[in-house]
Amino acid sequence: KAGVTQTPRYLIKTRGQQVTLSCSPISGHRSVSWYQQTPGQGLQFLFEYFSETQRNKGNFPGRFSGRQFSNSRSEMNVSTLELGDSALYLCASSPGGGRGPREQYFGPGTRLTVT
Amino acid sequence: DAKTTQPPSMDCAEGRAANLPCNHSTISGNEYVYWYRQIHSQGPQYIIHGLKNNETNEMASLIITEDRKSSTLILPHATLRDTAVYYCIVSPGFNNAGNMLTFGGGTRLMVKP
Repeated sequence: KAGVTQTPRYLIKTRGQQVTLSCSPISGHRSVSWYQQTPGQGLQFLFEYFSETQRNKGNFPGRFSGRQFSNSRSEMNVSTLELGDSALYLCASSPGGGRGPREQYFGPGTRLTVT
Repeated sequence: DAKTTQPPSMDCAEGRAANLPCNHSTISGNEYVYWYRQIHSQGPQYIIHGLKNNETNEMASLIITEDRKSSTLILPHATLRDTAVYYCIVSPGFNNAGNMLTFGGGTRLMVKP
């Protein structure tokens, strides 16, 4: 199976702009989670989508939003970009259904630089 | 989710076993122990998980103490490619709780020739 893919891999934006990042999960996976990684804060959970519904949300401002489509592909959007939004944004997919442990499979990430 | 404590860094000689400890003294009965690693600037990679019993797969072994308050990830024959940050995470295994992983600082493992 193909792994998790994220596009674009690198992005440079200016303060005040908005950005949309895309994630295609592993085929058959219904859960997509997003994480932000910065040198200062480490890996932080943003939100998770399962069957087109947001199931969990981390402690991030409302400028960060996401959605999931019926084919499980997901997008996240950051509006009014700030310098502090410069980070590696990681997407992870998981089967998402049933009970029991669900390991997550991460994509390579999108490196966003805000200038 | 329970918090975990890991040493910030460890060294290991190539070819030797790497034993990475993790304390999770507040773990709940329904929480699993997961291990992930992240090689520089790549996405984290799932390694292994366990609940009570010791587990082994092609990558590593996971030893969980009987009281479940600590665990050890064992890489039996470390190679230079195992140099990475290793994260120990505890999280509920029941899917209706969602898939949120709380990453700590991890252990930076340096495998040396």
